[in-house]
Amino acid sequence: GDSVTQMEGPVTLSEEAFLTINCTYTATGYPSLFWYVQYPGEGLQLLLKATKADDKGSNKGFEATYRKETTSFHLEKGSVQVSDSAVYFCALFLSGSRLTFGEGTQLTVNP
Amino acid sequence: DGGITQSPKYLFRKEGQNVTLSCEQNLNHDAMYWYRQDPGQGLRLIYYSQIVNDFQKGDIAEGYSVSREKKESFPLTVTSAQKNPTAFYLCASSLSGRAGGETQYFGPGTRLLVL
Repeated sequence: GDSVTQMEGPVTLSEEAFLTINCTYTATGYPSLFWYVQYPGEGLQLLLKATKADDKGSNKGFEATYRKETTSFHLEKGSVQVSDSAVYFCALFLSGSRLTFGEGTQLTVNP
Repeated sequence: DGGITQSPKYLFRKEGQNVTLSCEQNLNHDAMYWYRQDPGQGLRLIYYSQIVNDFQKGDIAEGYSVSREKKESFPLTVTSAQKNPTAFYLCASSLSGRAGGETQYFGPGTRLLVL
């Protein structure tokens, strides 16, 4: 079945460090890919998405590129802030199916 | 403001009691979803609905029930058959639930605790 594998956390970085959170997927078709973010005690918010191969999603300084050849959608940010501390979820969606989430990666950014 | 509201924010359940979690959306979305989130884990789908008066079981439907009598409302009942209900429950909605690239919008969640 369809699945998403995320880099295990927790991840702890200092402010202004470079962030990469790895995400790879297994799917029988051509899924749309998403990154959602969850701040403490809240629901999830869409961070960015990409709907076809080679698309780059970007928002708030975060970027991820849909790589069909490596079945990956790694999240990157050049300079993290304390306010980026949250749990990040990678997810995929295939038409006619449901949204499949990874396990989530906890990010803590220290000042 | 358009969005999804969930109530209550915290809910306490006694042994053998059924409790109902509310989810309302004013986004005019056809599809609605209930997820369960346990500490340090991802989201697991409980039930979803793509149209009024119809809903489908997700991966962990046992011990839960839903109804979809109105487009904007999708309440979840946690029954006494659910032996381990302590979790964070998230409701979401999307335009149709069928199209690729469609964003799911989430409510703020309800935390259910067992007394």
